[in-house]
Amino acid sequence: GAGVSQSPRYKVAKRGQDVALRCDPISGHVSLFWYQQALGQGPEFLTYFQNEAQLDKSGLPSDRFFAERPEGSVSTLKIQRTQQEDSAVYLCASSHSTADYEQYFGPGTRLTVT
Amino acid sequence: AQSVTQLDSQVPVFEEAPVELRCNYSSSVSVYLFWYVQYPNQGLQLLLKYLSGSTLVKGINGFEAEFNKSQTSFHLRKPSVHISDTAEYFCAVTLKAAGNKLTFGGGTRVLVKP
Repeated sequence: GAGVSQSPRYKVAKRGQDVALRCDPISGHVSLFWYQQALGQGPEFLTYFQNEAQLDKSGLPSDRFFAERPEGSVSTLKIQRTQQEDSAVYLCASSHSTADYEQYFGPGTRLTVT
Repeated sequence: AQSVTQLDSQVPVFEEAPVELRCNYSSSVSVYLFWYVQYPNQGLQLLLKYLSGSTLVKGINGFEAEFNKSQTSFHLRKPSVHISDTAEYFCAVTLKAAGNKLTFGGGTRVLVKP
């Protein structure tokens, strides 16, 4: 079956531009996570949704980062006024339920801010 | 808060030789443990997980890991590697609670040489 998909796969933005990154989780998956992976490092948690509710946004690095999942399926991570330090791969993951600890990851979106 | 340390950033190994990747974690409460593999320009794929039960866990592609509570370790092993095992490997932990965000180590890059 279809896995987690993300678009675009690559995004180049000029500093100060706004960007929107999309995540399509596996159909029916309740939980959705966003992670940020800087070059040469492990992924770091950004935010978590259970259906449409954003239950944890403790990892968002600044108020320039905003995520939504209005209908409990597709999610969008938006970064306003991008900075060079935002350059990273943004990974989305979903899991079937809150009791399922296995997360399925998408291929990621590589964001480069110039 | 929990943390994960992967002691080796790079591990070169010859084809058909064994490999061990070390992972230590710190947490004041019980955790679940995972190993993920990341191939170039791809998302993370789950290799294996420890939730409960036997401390020796077998995963895909011939990998196994052993949970050692007293040493707070979860080392990954494979008795004989293939060229195709060249990738980055991440150890991760999550608390036994809903909103189960993963905390990752910094990764170990395995380079299998012919």
